[in-house]
Amino acid sequence: SAVISQKPSRDICQRGTSLTIQCQVDSQVTMMFWYRQQPGQSLTLIATANQGSEATYESGFVIDKFPISRPNLTFSTLTVSNMSPEDSSIYLCSVEKGFGYTFGSGTRLTVV
Amino acid sequence: SQQGEEDPQALSIQEGENATMNCSYKTSINNLQWYRQNSGRGLVHLILIRSNEREKHSGRLRVTLDTSKKSSSLLITASRAADTASYFCATDEPNKIIFGKGTRLHILP
Repeated sequence: SAVISQKPSRDICQRGTSLTIQCQVDSQVTMMFWYRQQPGQSLTLIATANQGSEATYESGFVIDKFPISRPNLTFSTLTVSNMSPEDSSIYLCSVEKGFGYTFGSGTRLTVV
Repeated sequence: SQQGEEDPQALSIQEGENATMNCSYKTSINNLQWYRQNSGRGLVHLILIRSNEREKHSGRLRVTLDTSKKSSSLLITASRAADTASYFCATDEPNKIIFGKGTRLHILP
C-alpha cells in the first residue's frame, strides 16, 4: 500500500482567507482524491485529481472554491478559498492502491 | 451522494463482546469495503469483499455480503478498547468510492 504525507495536520484560519493543503505520495498514482468530512459526518468526495488534466469535481463543489493542482504523479494540493466557518472540516486526500484506498492523516481546519 | 447507510449509528458494548455493524446500499456494486477511523484522523482500510464473495475473514473481522439484499455486515469478535472508532462502509463507482454515514463504536472497559 502507499504512504501519504499530508500537511498541515491542523490549522485555524480567519474567514475570507485561503488555505492550501498538500499531499505527497511515496509512489506514482494516476488519480488522487480529495474528501471533506464535516463534524460528526461521513466523508464526501470533493474532486478527483488527474495529472495533466483538470480535476473532476463532484456535485456541489466548484473549482473557484476548491482549486486543485496536480503537477506530477506523486503530489497534489487542495486550496480552500475565501473561507467561512462552514468550511470548518477535516480534509483528506486518498489514493487507490492494491485492494483498497490509502488515506492521508487529514487536515483539521477551523475557520473563525 | 452517499450510497451506503450504516446501522446502527452508534454502538456501545463491553470489552470482550462481539460488535456487529450493518451497511445497506442502493445500486449494483463490484466490491464493498470497510474502513476504520480513529478520532477524526485518516481512514484505515480494513477489508474488501467482491460482489461474487459472500463472506470474508481477516483476523477478528468477519464481513458478509448479500447482493440480493444489497447489504453487508462487519463483525468484530472479542472486542478490545483499541477497537473504539468509527467504521464506514464504502461502495465502488467508476473511478471512485462512496462512503456511508458510519457507525461510531465505543468499547466500554
